[in-house]
Amino acid sequence: QSALTQPPSASGSPGQSVTISCTGTSSDVGGYDFVSWYQQHPGKAPKLILYEVRKWPSGVPDRFSGSKSGNTASLTVSGLQAEDEADYYCISYATSGNWVFGGGTKLTVL
Amino acid sequence: QVQLQESGPGLVKPSQTLSLTCTVSGGSISSGTYYWSWIRQPAGKGLEWIGRIFASGTTNYNASLKSRVTISIDTSRNQFSLRLNSVTAADTAVYYCARSRGTSGFDPPEYWGQGDLVSVSS
Repeated sequence: QSALTQPPSASGSPGQSVTISCTGTSSDVGGYDFVSWYQQHPGKAPKLILYEVRKWPSGVPDRFSGSKSGNTASLTVSGLQAEDEADYYCISYATSGNWVFGGGTKLTVL
Repeated sequence: QVQLQESGPGLVKPSQTLSLTCTVSGGSISSGTYYWSWIRQPAGKGLEWIGRIFASGTTNYNASLKSRVTISIDTSRNQFSLRLNSVTAADTAVYYCARSRGTSGFDPPEYWGQGDLVSVSS
């Protein structure tokens, strides 16, 4: 299956909100509510920040929120902070037990 | 808290087989129905899901790699492994092992190793 489509970059000023999209097909994003998001800082392993579209793992602030409409899922980061500057990846369950990642979005805090 | 650690040769020659092992600590690899994944990331690029294995031995593979990949599990050693055949420079990447968040096949990978850089070069 092809990678999910994310914008390569996004930016916002401290305190603002920014939304990152993740577009797939009916075989992945559109077919299942099993979309997750990861945050990755340089040189570090990815960290799970949302799962099942909008649920938070323990310890993740609710400044991170998720939604889905049709074949597109979205991550919104509210109240941007300097430490939110990182790469963000979506991942979706796809047919036949597979998972597919998005291409990643570099979030810059201005 | 479960911890994962990748290990293997950092350099592999083209056309040969890449082999990595993930050692799990802080829990038994055979407890529950968690699944165990391999994911890779070429330098400066995005994440690519390689495949996964359940403690039962059931596997799922990325279709684009399926002909070259084998993931296996050794419950006696609390380890699982990746073998990737016929490697080329395009297989150069940081390889991560990971455990699912929960015991459903629909739970995403949550617990990750620190990653292991494997370079393919003669």
